[in-house]
This record gives sequence, C-alpha cells and structure tokens, in this order.
Amino acid sequence: SQQGEEDPQALSIQEGENATMNCSYKTSINNLQWYRQNSGRGLVHLILIRSNEREKHSGRLRVTLDTSKKSSSLLITASRAADTASYFCATDDGGSYIPTFGRGTSLIVHP
Amino acid sequence: EAGVVQSPRYKIIEKKQPVAFWCNPISGHNTLYWYRQNLGQGPELLIRYENEEAVDDSQLPKDRFSAERLKGVDSTLKIQPAELGDSAVYLCASSPGTGAYEQYFGPGTRLTVT
Repeated sequence: SQQGEEDPQALSIQEGENATMNCSYKTSINNLQWYRQNSGRGLVHLILIRSNEREKHSGRLRVTLDTSKKSSSLLITASRAADTASYFCATDDGGSYIPTFGRGTSLIVHP
Repeated sequence: EAGVVQSPRYKIIEKKQPVAFWCNPISGHNTLYWYRQNLGQGPELLIRYENEEAVDDSQLPKDRFSAERLKGVDSTLKIQPAELGDSAVYLCASSPGTGAYEQYFGPGTRLTVT
C-alpha cells in the first residue's frame, strides 16, 4: 500500500500565482522527499526533508513537515509555465528508508 | 556526469513473449532500484539492490519477473511471459546508498503488451 497521498489530485493556476500541494502519510518516517515528473525530463528530485526538520527551501520551493499531523506541503512561489508537471511525495516507513510514492498532484500552469 | 541510462526507451510485444530491460546506474552508486509506473500512478518499487545483492524484492512478481545485477553495476529486469497487465513504464533509479539520499531516475522504458 502507498504510504504518502498527495492532495489535490489536480491543480490549475495562472503563471505568477503560488501553488500549494499537500502530502499525508500514515506511519512514522525518517525522511520525506518531493519529486517532479514531466514528459521532458522524467522524475527529478526536488527536496528531501528529514523527520527532525520543519521547513526547507530551494529556490522558489518551500517544503514544510508536520510530523504530529503526518503531513507535508510543497509551495511553489511565482509559478511558471515550465512548472507544469506531476509532483510526487515519497515517504519511507521509518524502518527501511525505502521511499514509497503517492499518486501525485498534476499541476498545470497557464501562461 | 552521465545520468542513469536505460534501454530500450520503448518496447511493443505480444502477450506471452519475453522482454528485457537494461539499466546502467550513475557511476559509484551502490543502490539500484527498479520501479513500475502505471498511468496516473506513482512509481511502485519492484526490487532494490545494494551492490549485487537484492535486498528488497517483496513486490516483484517472481513467477514471471526476474532481475539481476551482476558485478554490482548495471542491471537487467526480465519478464517472461509478458501479460497485458504488464503494460507500464519501467523506471530504474540509483543512489549513493540507502538512507537520506535522493534517487536519480532514468528516462524509463515504456512497455506495451498487445
């Protein structure tokens, strides 16, 4: 069974707007990762956040982690058409470090 | 630095035929993963290697799927015989080790079974 589940399943915004997607998981984790997948570049790693961290930034990306709620969010600020892709969170089960992917959020950014 | 290389990129076969996928990970990466991704879903782990040892293959359908990673470098995933439900994208990924490491994914092989 999948550990992480992303929400919403689909998101459509205008260029320049912010995009927020969420990931919920069921059991304790060591790490949570966010990946992006588009037809041009395949699956690409975005950010890894450890269970003892609450927030990380990378360029226009901001990831938060709330272990008490077993949830994470990915914020993309000032979105661009090139951000159009599917975004996946991957969580481990707290024991094996093996990441399990959710179904993803499909983001469309309209120019 | 070269990324993860997979071949072929596309494969169309008839059901009951065999098929094989090849993956060459990033140089120096000890951990290699094979995933299957169905349309609209996230990748599902099939097998993980630490060097040449398969350490997690609980999701690999062993009646028809097999994998090997000779010498702990490149790897081959085989399906024999293929079924219609095996149509999917097969992804290979590698990482320096297991733990707090990001995975580097190859472009995948899109398999269509007719």
